[in-house]
Amino acid sequence: DADVTQTPRNRITKTGKRIMLECSQTKGHDRMYWYRQDPGLGLQLIYYSFDVKDINKGEISDGYSVSRQAQAKFSLSLESAIPNQTALYFCATKVRVTNTEAFFGQGTRLTVV
Amino acid sequence: AQTVTQSQPEMSVQEAETVTLSCTYDTSENNYYLFWYKQPPSRQMILVIRQEAYKQQNATENRFSVNFQKAAKSFSLKISDSQLGDTAMYFCAFTFRTGANNLFFGTGTRLTVIP
Repeated sequence: DADVTQTPRNRITKTGKRIMLECSQTKGHDRMYWYRQDPGLGLQLIYYSFDVKDINKGEISDGYSVSRQAQAKFSLSLESAIPNQTALYFCATKVRVTNTEAFFGQGTRLTVV
Repeated sequence: AQTVTQSQPEMSVQEAETVTLSCTYDTSENNYYLFWYKQPPSRQMILVIRQEAYKQQNATENRFSVNFQKAAKSFSLKISDSQLGDTAMYFCAFTFRTGANNLFFGTGTRLTVIP
């Protein structure tokens, strides 16, 4: 099983619908992140969390919310999806030590029609 | 603002040849770490190599090496003896020692290894 698991892997939803993307990890890391990848733009930070009670906005948080249900689970919600939120979404985890790598899930491709 | 620039959107290389991917970045911070990530068609983000900014010695991992020029804020990736499995999108990124500890990514270079 993957260390960082994202569900669903692919999703098509309609404009205005609420949708939740889920992320769970078995690595025991305290830090979790949600990134969005758009063609030609690289990955941008949406939200991050250092523990269950510590959640912070990233560069592009408008239109998104998150929930850290447990150390191992970090969900991203789109309250009312719009077409320009069509993108590839990644969850990532890392330990507190700065120079260690981030571990990524396999991504969720979200299409808003 | 923290920025990462990868000026080569696409590159190609013959199998077994060497290729260099360019990356420049801009930050006013002094303590940071640099990374190259690979994203094959499977979408998985895979760490290729990392470099601590306080180390002058360039990092090497098997066929992958970097040329880190701190004063010029340049961090290029050299792939030697290119293999078909190296075909992927490559992202340059950095993170700080403090704060959110998130990654700042470039826009990526799509590398194709030609048989």
